[in-house]
Amino acid sequence: KNQVEQSPQSLIILEGKNCTLQCNYTVSPFSNLRWYKQDTGRGPVSLTIMTFSENTKSNGRYTATLDADTKQSSLHITASQLSDSASYICVVSDRGSTLGRLYFGRGTQLTVWP
Amino acid sequence: EADIYQTPRYLVIGTGKKITLECSQTMGHDKMYWYQQDPGMELHLIHYSYGVNSTEKGDLSSESTVSRIRTEHFPLTLESARPSHTSQYLCASSAIGSVDGEAFFGQGTRLTVV
Repeated sequence: KNQVEQSPQSLIILEGKNCTLQCNYTVSPFSNLRWYKQDTGRGPVSLTIMTFSENTKSNGRYTATLDADTKQSSLHITASQLSDSASYICVVSDRGSTLGRLYFGRGTQLTVWP
Repeated sequence: EADIYQTPRYLVIGTGKKITLECSQTMGHDKMYWYQQDPGMELHLIHYSYGVNSTEKGDLSSESTVSRIRTEHFPLTLESARPSHTSQYLCASSAIGSVDGEAFFGQGTRLTVV
């Protein structure tokens, strides 16, 4: 069964600190993995997209890693800001259909305190 | 900022009423999707479309129906709303033929059926 598991479920950190969010998946055949940021009451917005051959990708203070062998990904946020408070969702796409089916994790709810 | 719009943003309606949630995109995307998301839970695909006159049911069974008469519009209809339909509904679109392409999400419609 194709699944995406994220940890931790929620995380509270102080402003300026770093944090790392985890994503494990069993989706096969694998196409790509995306990290989305979803602010409360809004739609998800893409942060990074990684294909099979990519190990790491950065977008400003966000750095995503991918280990396709162990089927694990992480999202590292450096020098956190209050505006980073949101849900971070790991989304894996399969290559087994023309739809490019998206499988969503439940997200990690990040809260940044001043 | 993605050019995909959902209306209304919030809707409170009585049981038994018929409702239509609107979704429009101006990016010329062929693929469009409807997801249902309960608080703290993952997104579940309820409907998708490859293009005009194409509609398919997603992974999560839903009593809602959709239509795709025009490329830019993908409305979702509930003929008789029930409290169990209370949820957030997210619309998304992506370019066809781009399995690795990004899905752009609307802001969502928060539906409450009383």
